[in-house]
This record gives sequence, C-alpha cells and structure tokens, in this order.
Amino acid sequence: KAGVTQTPRYLIKTRGQQVTLSCSPISGHRSVSWYQQTPGQGLQFLFEYFSETQRNKGNFPGRFSGRQFSNSRSEMNVSTLELGDSALYLCASSLEAGDVNIQYFGAGTRLSVL
Amino acid sequence: AQSVTQLDSQVPVFEEAPVELRCNYSSSVSVYLFWYVQYPNQGLQLLLKYLSGSTLVESINGFEAEFNKSQTSFHLRKPSVHISDTAEYFCAVGTSRAAGNKLTFGGGTRVLVKP
Repeated sequence: KAGVTQTPRYLIKTRGQQVTLSCSPISGHRSVSWYQQTPGQGLQFLFEYFSETQRNKGNFPGRFSGRQFSNSRSEMNVSTLELGDSALYLCASSLEAGDVNIQYFGAGTRLSVL
Repeated sequence: AQSVTQLDSQVPVFEEAPVELRCNYSSSVSVYLFWYVQYPNQGLQLLLKYLSGSTLVESINGFEAEFNKSQTSFHLRKPSVHISDTAEYFCAVGTSRAAGNKLTFGGGTRVLVKP
C-alpha cells in the first residue's frame, strides 16, 4: 500500500506570493492533518480535515488555509508569504477507526521563502 | 491542553551502547503516546505507540518505551544502538477523536551514534 504522498518536495517562493501544497493520503484514510516544522518552533499542528470539512484547527493566522476533496486528497494554501513561513510542511493521514487515530506522515514539502 | 517535554535536545552515543531518550507529558485528559523518528530530509515515521494495555511497548527494530502514568513519562530505550539509528526522535501525545484528534510534539532529541 502506498504511503502518504506530498508534492512538491521542494518549493522556493518570494515574499508576498502564495503557495499550494498537495497531500494524497494512504488509500482508505479519510482524515488528513497538516503540521509545520521549523527549527525554532518545532512541530506545530495547523489543521485537520475529515470528509471535506475542517474538523480541528491550530493557532495559525488566516493566511494558512486548506481543503479536502471527495477522494480525501488535501491541499493547503499559504497566501502573502512571509520569510517566517519557511518550513517543512508535513501531512499525515489516519484511518477513522477506534478511539484514536494513528497518524502516518508523508516526506514533507520544504518551502523556502526568499 | 497537552504539552510534551523532551529533556535532552541531543544525545551522542557510541555504537552498541545503550541509549535512553526521556519524554514527559502533561494532559488534562486521557492520552495516547507515540514516538516518531525522523531521518535526514525525510518525514516522520511511527516508531511505537501506547494506546492501552501493557505499559511496555516494543518496536520491530529493538526500541522499547514504557508508559508510566504516575510519573507522566514515556521514555524510549534501546539496549544497543547502530549507526543507522542516527536520527531525530519525537515524542508525541494524542487525544481521542472525540477530544480533537491532534498530536502535540516534544521538541525532539537528536541521536548521534558514533563508531
């Protein structure tokens, strides 16, 4: 079974631009979560989507948004990029079963904002 | 709210020596505990998890972790490390789907295995 696939792996943007990152979950997984990883702040939860609805949201500004499609694939968008948005963005998918979702991560998209 | 503290940011260790990575958490609700490993330029891989039952959990590559509720800890150990264990290790707490289904991570511990 294929794992979580994130595209692209690397992105370089300039300040003020916007960017869209894509995540394809493991087949059969319907929940997708996004995390930001930076050297200073570590791993921080951005948001979670399930059945095309945002179910949970972290403490990030409105410039960060996402969506989920009917096939469970998810995208996240960052508008008006700032230098501080440079990070590794990780997507995780999980199977809706049992009391707790176990999250499986993709390789990430490394975003550099110049 | 949950929080996770990994007490060591870096742990150098010689090959074939034992290693222990410390993790303490705080939470107002029941938690589920995870260790993830991140190799250079890669994402996170699930190493092991505690959901319920036996407090000692093991991974297929020789790591083990013990859930200690009274000390709110979930320390990771390996009796004999290999060069290939060089990576960053993250402890995380998760909540039930009803409570929000998100992971809260510690700051990570970099393990450098020396020959």
